[in-house]
Amino acid sequence: KQEVTQIPAALSVPEGENLVLNCSFTDSAIYNLQWFRQDPGKGLTSLLLIQSSQREQTSGRLNASLDKSSGRSTLYIAASQPGDSATYLCAVLGGGADGLTFGKGTHLIIQP
Amino acid sequence: NAGVTQTPKFQVLKTGQSMTLQCAQDMNHEYMSWYRQDPGMGLRLIHYSVGAGITDQGEVPNGYNVSRSTTEDFPLRLLSAAPSQTSVYFCASSLDNGGYGYTFGSGTRLTVV
Repeated sequence: KQEVTQIPAALSVPEGENLVLNCSFTDSAIYNLQWFRQDPGKGLTSLLLIQSSQREQTSGRLNASLDKSSGRSTLYIAASQPGDSATYLCAVLGGGADGLTFGKGTHLIIQP
Repeated sequence: NAGVTQTPKFQVLKTGQSMTLQCAQDMNHEYMSWYRQDPGMGLRLIHYSVGAGITDQGEVPNGYNVSRSTTEDFPLRLLSAAPSQTSVYFCASSLDNGGYGYTFGSGTRLTVV
């Protein structure tokens, strides 16, 4: 059974810092990996989708990498802002029809 | 383009009551699914559907029922609510089985007392 782990569980940094969130998965036979953002009491907003054949995806200040063979992905946030404060979720899609397997998330606080 | 719409946003039920959580998408997505989110557990798949008339169980299906009569709608039914079903429920859809990523609704916060 696929398991997804996110480290750290929580992170608090001053505004302006660059930071890295980590995601690891136990079964490397994935179809793709998706990073989401969740604000308190809200739904999930998709940030980046990386197909299994890709190494990275970029959107603005966000860059996600994927190393399928080692079962790892990182989400890099450049020049962090207080508005980046949220929970970040990593989810992998396997080859079957049974949907996404989620990590438990990293709760990020950017201090003004 | 509304995306994935869930209703209601909040609901309180008494133990033993039944209710239906509604989910609708206007993106012509074939694949729809329901997740629950609990503290410390992450999101877990309840049921999913790969197209109208086709449904299947996910990781935690007990106590829930689904049907898919149209492409747009995928309601989740709680047959006899239990306190263990207190959770936040999310509906998600994708064009195919997630190859182009998933779109999530804003969630339904359910409390069973």
